Amino acid sequence: DTGVSQNPRHKITKRGQNVTFRCDPISEHNRLYWYRQTLGQGPEFLTYFQNEAQLEKSRLLSDRFSAERPKGSFSTLEIQRTEQGDSAMYLCASSLGPSRGNEQFFGPGTRLTVL
Amino acid sequence: GNSVTQMEGPVTLSEEAFLTINCTYTATGYPSLFWYVQYPGEGLQLLLKATKADDKGSNKGFEATYRKETTSFHLEKGSVQVSDSAVYFCAPLDLGNEKLTFGTGTRLTIIP
Repeated sequence: DTGVSQNPRHKITKRGQNVTFRCDPISEHNRLYWYRQTLGQGPEFLTYFQNEAQLEKSRLLSDRFSAERPKGSFSTLEIQRTEQGDSAMYLCASSLGPSRGNEQFFGPGTRLTVL
Repeated sequence: GNSVTQMEGPVTLSEEAFLTINCTYTATGYPSLFWYVQYPGEGLQLLLKATKADDKGSNKGFEATYRKETTSFHLEKGSVQVSDSAVYFCAPLDLGNEKLTFGTGTRLTIIP
């Protein structure tokens, strides 16, 4: 059973560029979550999917951010017109929801650096 | 929404010492409660959980009890090892939107 995988692991970009990250959840997990973690802080919730439906979106997610999960399997998170404040670790997690105690399993993260 | 107050770090202990990391939360309703651990250079790992009042979660010698009356979920271990050096996060889960709210984390260093 493979865990949650995320690609790329590191991304360096210039301000104003667009970036896209991918998350592959644990097989058969119908829930998928995105969080953002800045240095010295705990992760902050961004958004959540149940299958392909995006059910919750944080106010942290500005109009420049968009997430999709088109077939209810992998998900992508796109940031348009990146800003230096977007530099952070972007974490993906997946779960089976209440049937398994709502345990969320995290991937290794994608570290974004905006120059 | 939920919020978490975690014990300020860093915490430095000698091997075999007793560990307590305090965590209190505010929430509407009765959230499930989790502790996650982040070892150096690794991702977040679920350490233990409790889903209702007076439940005790345990794993790898760590324990935490869901205290509804004090809205607390303190992490304890009787005898820490160097390998326990990591950052520990307390996180209540909002059952309505399945969102985890993390504390700022407590960095623990165990010296031999």
